Amino acid sequence: EVQLVESGGDLVQPGGSLRLSCAAFGFTFNSYAMSWVRQAPGKGLEWVSAISGSGGRTYYADSVKGRFTISRDNFKNTLYLQMNSLRAEDTAVYYCAKDSISSSSGFDFWGQGTLVTVSS
Amino acid sequence: EIVMTQSPATLSVSPGERATLSCRASQSVSSNLVWYQQKPGQAPRLLIYGASTRATGIPARFSGSGSGTEFTLTISSLQSEDFAVYYCQQHNNWPRTFGQGTKLEIK
Repeated sequence: EVQLVESGGDLVQPGGSLRLSCAAFGFTFNSYAMSWVRQAPGKGLEWVSAISGSGGRTYYADSVKGRFTISRDNFKNTLYLQMNSLRAEDTAVYYCAKDSISSSSGFDFWGQGTLVTVSS
Repeated sequence: EIVMTQSPATLSVSPGERATLSCRASQSVSSNLVWYQQKPGQAPRLLIYGASTRATGIPARFSGSGSGTEFTLTISSLQSEDFAVYYCQQHNNWPRTFGQGTKLEIK
């Protein structure tokens, strides 16, 4: 059974840093691209970042480019999101999501989300 | 970046009736359009990919159509469990942008 389990969400001050993790189970992790998607309280979904199965290609939303870094450890079956220079507008539930059969077929599995709150 | 616009923002429909949700892209995304359903407190669920292919386990009452810039999600006979927020997302270009969502509520 496919499972994605996020962790690392916390309350952090503006300008601070946080690293999110997403542990993957039940599929061949290195065969699939992975993404982070966030949802601010009461708002819609915002795609944040993606990484190819090998980790060789990464993509970012303009809103986080230069501040966030996506990475993966295919030996540990874990996806990461390093978030630096955090702002109040980064407050959201962060989901990790697995690509479906191809990168153009959507995200077929999602984690339960981890809450990041940026506030003084 | 490609802007995805969904309409209407809120749709009120009675159980058993048909619901039609729209999604428009600011430029062509070919057929690389997906639909998700999200219920309160839950992660999104993949409904449709490739604009018209139902994901695994999705009931036949859900159907998608369109290509290029205009897309539609149709739910043929609404069940109580279908009342939720629906999002479209393009998977043709980076960044992978979402629409703002359509809330489907009980009339």
